Amino acid sequence: EPEVTQTPSHQVTQMGQEVILRCVPISNHLYFYWYRQILGQKVEFLVSFYNNEISEKSEIFDDQFSVERPDGSNFTLKIRSTKLEDSAMYFCASSAPSGGRSSYEQYFGPGTRLTVT
Amino acid sequence: AQTVTQSQPEMSVQEAETVTLSCTYDTSENNYYLFWYKQPPSRQMILVIRQEAYKQQNATENRFSVNFQKAAKSFSLKISDSQLGDTAMYFCAFMKGNSGYALNFGKGTSLLVTP
Repeated sequence: EPEVTQTPSHQVTQMGQEVILRCVPISNHLYFYWYRQILGQKVEFLVSFYNNEISEKSEIFDDQFSVERPDGSNFTLKIRSTKLEDSAMYFCASSAPSGGRSSYEQYFGPGTRLTVT
Repeated sequence: AQTVTQSQPEMSVQEAETVTLSCTYDTSENNYYLFWYKQPPSRQMILVIRQEAYKQQNATENRFSVNFQKAAKSFSLKISDSQLGDTAMYFCAFMKGNSGYALNFGKGTSLLVTP
């Protein structure tokens, strides 16, 4: 069964450094998302992406964050200058094109645990 | 803005018993979808069940079923014949519209299934 994959599974970085989190969405999906979950808290939406553009973003997704689809398979989240409060689990998700039976279902990757020291 | 409320931070159930997790939401949207996701200790987010708001019939997936009360804006999850592997965090989520919109999650309910 197709699945969303994410690399790395765990990333440790120093405050102020740039990090890039990588995701490979399900191959026929066209909508991509990033969420984060601070330990012990709920999952929070960051951004959605469609047709090489951001379609929606939350207040959390400020100028420190950016997303990119550098090629036909990868979807990345960049944090330019990490802060201690960026420590969290970051989830990538994808969903199918409109019109399909399950087009609204978002399938999540296993997450990348980001630790900022 | 939509809000999702899960009023039970923790619940416990014995193996083979039935448990119901509650979720309420607030929205002015007419077209929306509701979901329950399971997050085991591995922290993977697993879709358990989904409900389209325009459907009156409650969704069912094997041992998992929902009680969707649209007027009351309530969306509870019933787990029948609970198994040890059901031990996890359960998140209720709301999404307006169709593809491309954000999932708005509740704070979760931690479910412990005991032998």
